[in-house]
Amino acid sequence: DTEVTQTPKHLVMGMTNKKSLKCEQHMGHRAMYWYKQKAKKPPELMFVYSYEKLSINESVPSRFSPECPNSSLLNLHLHALQPEDSALYLCASSQVAGPTYEQYFGPGTRLTVT
Amino acid sequence: AQRVTQPEKLLSVFKGAPVELKCNYSYSGSPELFWYVQYSRQRLQLLLRHISRESIKGFTADLNKGETSFHLKKPFAQEEDSAMYYCALSGRDNQGGKLIFGQGTELSVKP
Repeated sequence: DTEVTQTPKHLVMGMTNKKSLKCEQHMGHRAMYWYKQKAKKPPELMFVYSYEKLSINESVPSRFSPECPNSSLLNLHLHALQPEDSALYLCASSQVAGPTYEQYFGPGTRLTVT
Repeated sequence: AQRVTQPEKLLSVFKGAPVELKCNYSYSGSPELFWYVQYSRQRLQLLLRHISRESIKGFTADLNKGETSFHLKKPFAQEEDSAMYYCALSGRDNQGGKLIFGQGTELSVKP
């Protein structure tokens, strides 16, 4: 299995809701990433997990809370989001978190905050 | 500061014409450069990276450290090449795995 899967594909949530995004890979990768992508813009890194530990947090607001329960799973918990948080959220994985390793991206979850 | 610049937001060529997507970078250390492609309604995927020096789908890119460039080239564009192309940089002394993307160039190949 050489794919990164993400659920749900689409999510609409109100500003007071709590929801979670899920990402899964079965390639044995030990690094996983969350990116945020606005339309016609490049992905912006949010978090990096390396060997199930958070290694990079790009000063993301606390209303986004990542979690890596095991080496195959990555969650992004959402709470009290703002309309400007509406975007495509991408998950990626790589063999390890290093500069030469290809990142494999999931199809993304399109989030709309109303 | 680490930065990747793609000067063209949109590049439109006719089928069979040569295409060059420009990428310039700013990085004080030793960079790893990549081209990622995002076809319509598909996931972002790696096209090629300088370290492997491969030719993928007819595309090549050469790292020019003197000009700090990593331009993507193809001698004869095909309609299926129409997509968004992102140049990305990861530094050897970066925190692990962090990719810095350029703003992207949308390539449109007309029949």
